[in-house]
Amino acid sequence: DAKTTQPTSMDCAEGRAANLPCNHSTISGNEYVYWYRQIHSQGPQYIIHGLKNNETNEMASLIITEDRKSSTLILPHATLRDTAVYYCIVRNDYKLSFGAGTTVTVRA
Amino acid sequence: DAGVIQSPRHEVTEMGQEVTLRCKPISGHNSLFWYRQTMMRGLELLIYFNNNVPIDDSGMPEDRFSAKMPNASFSTLKIQPSEPRDSAVYFCASRAGGTPNSPLHFGNGTRLTVT
Repeated sequence: DAKTTQPTSMDCAEGRAANLPCNHSTISGNEYVYWYRQIHSQGPQYIIHGLKNNETNEMASLIITEDRKSSTLILPHATLRDTAVYYCIVRNDYKLSFGAGTTVTVRA
Repeated sequence: DAGVIQSPRHEVTEMGQEVTLRCKPISGHNSLFWYRQTMMRGLELLIYFNNNVPIDDSGMPEDRFSAKMPNASFSTLKIQPSEPRDSAVYFCASRAGGTPNSPLHFGNGTRLTVT
């Protein structure tokens, strides 16, 4: 399965957009990009996923580069409740493997 | 939709005791997963069921661990006998059928402490 690389941590200001990068240079053609997050003391929460096209839902937007070697998760207006560990995962079957993720801290 | 329900939320037991963790998946979901999370190893997939049948148990650490899914609305993960190194948060997740790319929905986990 393709490996992903994410920054260990990042801070962002409340009310501003948070842009979370993920590199997945070895992604294969049928592998999806998934984003999950884990708020303290809770289970991982699905955010969004995509294959080639950019995707948007009520939580976030996912921008995938044309060569699919990287992607960015965008939280349009970060709130304090968005403080969490964010996981970028690349996979094409049931076996989602969670790495260390990016610890995002939203500051007032 | 109540989400994936796990019980108990916390379990403290002594080494050597049997521990049973329970999970109720989201109604209509036909895939169920058990994960374990520790600081050292992060989130690890233990076992995956599809239509109540275990498909992949390669992540089960050893014979002390067993999992069952007697019907579509209930699953258990049992550790017998338990050891201190089993201390972790155990998550259950379920997924709707259709495609293997459907998202997973996780419960809030059972925090197990073995003393």
